[in-house]
Amino acid sequence: AQKITQTQPGMFVQEKEAVTLDCTYDTSDQSYGLFWYKQPSSGEMIFLIYQGSYDEQNATEGRYSLNFQKARKSANLVISASQLGDSAMYFCAMRGLISNFGNEKLTFGTGTRLTIIP
Amino acid sequence: GAGVSQSPSNKVTEKGKDVELRCDPISGHTALYWYRQSLGQGLEFLIYFQGNSAPDKSGLPSDRFSAERTGGSVSTLTIQRTQQEDSAVYLCASSLKSFSYEQYFGPGTRLTVT
Repeated sequence: AQKITQTQPGMFVQEKEAVTLDCTYDTSDQSYGLFWYKQPSSGEMIFLIYQGSYDEQNATEGRYSLNFQKARKSANLVISASQLGDSAMYFCAMRGLISNFGNEKLTFGTGTRLTIIP
Repeated sequence: GAGVSQSPSNKVTEKGKDVELRCDPISGHTALYWYRQSLGQGLEFLIYFQGNSAPDKSGLPSDRFSAERTGGSVSTLTIQRTQQEDSAVYLCASSLKSFSYEQYFGPGTRLTVT
């Protein structure tokens, strides 16, 4: 079984500052992937960034980076130079990468609502 | 190209009625997923299709829930005898193949059971 924990229900950050959204996970899988999704008020889920458990380098995508600490089972999302358009719900998710039954679905955390203050 | 589409965008129904929710995945995507998002919660997996078959139905909460996929494309999620606890946003996602890194989500159907 897999579990994702996001302990920050809400965060307020000043525009242009960096923000870190916390995510810890638990799994018995040796090979797994970690994902971050953004959900604006319009409701669609937007894929942001992916980190594989065997990737040696932290993933980066533009202003997004994933601070992956495998031993601590954490996969925090860092957004640099925050913008007003970053205000949204952010979900951390994971799944196993071996083609086994049950590994095709994503397990999500409860999310963090990020509000950027002008 | 076109993304994942879902219809209707909003559905209000009376308790006890049946509802059908539709998902049109991205053309050529063989894997399709249904998730449910209750108010203030994360997404909860319901069912997964590879082509027209559903290898994993483990997330369906009761036998009132069923889903099918035809022609390897459109999928319908049916909820029979709806209950108030079924009120949620139902999200569909598709990916090029099973175990692809990225699942592309539709805008969801907001279901309200009164």
